[in-house]
Amino acid sequence: GNSVTQMEGPVTLSEEAFLTINCTYTATGYPSLFWYVQYPGEGLQLLLKATKADDKGSNKGFEATYRKETTSFHLEKGSVQVSDSAVYFCALMQGGSEKLVFGKGTKLTVNP
Amino acid sequence: DTAVSQTPKYLVTQMGNDKSIKCEQNLGHDTMYWYKQDSKKFLKIMFSYNNKELIINETVPNRFSPKSPDKAHLNLHINSLELGDSAVYFCASSQGRRNQPQHFGDGTRLSIL
Repeated sequence: GNSVTQMEGPVTLSEEAFLTINCTYTATGYPSLFWYVQYPGEGLQLLLKATKADDKGSNKGFEATYRKETTSFHLEKGSVQVSDSAVYFCALMQGGSEKLVFGKGTKLTVNP
Repeated sequence: DTAVSQTPKYLVTQMGNDKSIKCEQNLGHDTMYWYKQDSKKFLKIMFSYNNKELIINETVPNRFSPKSPDKAHLNLHINSLELGDSAVYFCASSQGRRNQPQHFGDGTRLSIL
């Protein structure tokens, strides 16, 4: 079945550090890939998405590139801020299905 | 205006009780979902409705019964609550075309005593 594996957290960084959160997936065909972010006490918000190979999703300084050859969708940000502290979820949606399959989430804490 | 709203935000109750969680979306979407997030933050889909019709029904105990009176509402009723039902339940909605992002509510934290 479809699955998403993302790096175990928690991840703790200092402000302005470079962030990478690894995400790999297993799926048949060509799924769409997403990153969602969950701030404390809130629901999930879509951060970015990519729908086909080599697409790059970007938003709020975050980027992720859909790499079919490595079945990966790693999240990166060049300079994190304290306000980026949250739990980040990688997810996939198989073509023809409305079902999102999530990774286990990675908690990021950014210290001033 | 809140796009996807759930009530209540917190629900504390005893084992064996029956409770409901309500969800409403004002985005004009035709598909709605219920997800369960466990204590380790793992999110798993439970149900999905498209235009009031059940389209996704994961392996969920039949104590859980979703009801969609119209496409803007999807409620979740839980009978005979058990300790393992303690979790955060998220409602979401999307426009049911392929690859459309899902919009989430703020969650309902259910605690079973």
